[in-house]
Formats: sequence, C-alpha cells, structure tokens
Amino acid sequence: DAGVIQSPRHEVTEMGQEVTLRCKPISGHDYLFWYRQTMMRGLELLIYFNNNVPIDDSGMPEDRFSAKMPNASFSTLKIQPSEPRDSAVYFCASSFGREIEQYFGPGTRLTVT
Amino acid sequence: SQQGEEDPQALSIQEGENATMNCSYKTSINNLQWYRQNSGRGLVHLILIRSNEREKHSGRLRVTLDTSKKSSSLLITASRAADTASYFCATDETSGSRLTFGEGTQLTVNP
Repeated sequence: DAGVIQSPRHEVTEMGQEVTLRCKPISGHDYLFWYRQTMMRGLELLIYFNNNVPIDDSGMPEDRFSAKMPNASFSTLKIQPSEPRDSAVYFCASSFGREIEQYFGPGTRLTVT
Repeated sequence: SQQGEEDPQALSIQEGENATMNCSYKTSINNLQWYRQNSGRGLVHLILIRSNEREKHSGRLRVTLDTSKKSSSLLITASRAADTASYFCATDETSGSRLTFGEGTQLTVNP
C-alpha cells in the first residue's frame, strides 16, 4: 500500500484565497483524521470521520474551515477565506478502528501571505 | 491544554547511549501511544501500550506505563544517529473520543 497520500505537499497562497487540501487514506481504513501542526500550538486534531461521517469537528477553528469525505477513499479540508494565521503543516491520518495506531500522510505545508 | 506532556522538551546524547523520554497525562486512558516524527515528515507510530499493561518492548524500544502516576516512559537503547527526531506521546482518554498528542521531545543523537 502507498500509505496515506496528501496533496499538494506545499501550498503558498495569498490572504483571502480559497485553499483545498486533499487526502487519500489507506484502503480499508474506516477512520480519517485531519490535524494541524504549528510551533506555537503543536499538533491539533481538527476533525475526524468514521465511515465517511464526521464524528467530532470540535477542533475546527472557525467557520472558514470545512471538511468533507464524499467516499471512503477521499477527503478534503477547505479554508475559505485563508488568513496568514492558517499557515501550518496539515496532516491527514487514517486508521482501522479508532483506538489503535494512526498512519500519517506526509503533510501539506501551507503558507498564507 | 495538552493531555500528554513530554519531558524533557529536548535531549541531546551520543550515539550508543540510551535515551529516556517521559510523558505525563491527566485523565484515565484506554491506551497510550508513542510516535516519532522526522523533520519535515509525518508522524510514524512506534508502539501502543494499553491501560492494563505495564511494560512493552519493540526492538530497541521499551515503554512503561504507570497508571497510578499517570505517566509513561519511552526508552531507546543503544541510540543511533538515525534516531534523531521528535517523539510524541498520545493518549486515548476513556472519557473522550480522540487521541490527544503531547508537545513532543526533540531527541538529537550525535554521531
């Protein structure tokens, strides 16, 4: 298996623009997680899905953030409009079951200028 | 605030030495996991220890869990330069629905 795939790997955009991050989880995994990592706040869980259904989105910082999982093999995290403080590395992770190990993608480094 | 807190924040040792990192947490847990993150990469799962386990081994890794003290330790024996990375503990709380990561320990192994 190729592991969790994220695209793009790097994104530089201007404030106010819409940003869409993409994730393909490991085939057969029923949980998908979106995290954000910054030096100041560490690794934060934004939202997670079980069988394509959002379970806990309490970590989504604002209404500017939205996430979807239209099918078992694809998820998106959208920021609209983006702001400089959204600059971070965004990770997608998947697992088979909630309480066991998660497999992380390589991350998307987002820079908002 | 973070559920898990790692100690120390940074650790620098020589190749061949052992490295010990600690994690403390606040609430009851189902399990505790340790992850490694190399610079610029995603996290990689190392080991999971359940609340009813006290010690677990995997290769050069040894993890202990003391639920009475709400703490865990990760020992890396005979360290190598390739072990240089950040190490995170993550707790799966019994009352929660998510895995909560600590702030990590930055380990540097000097050749």
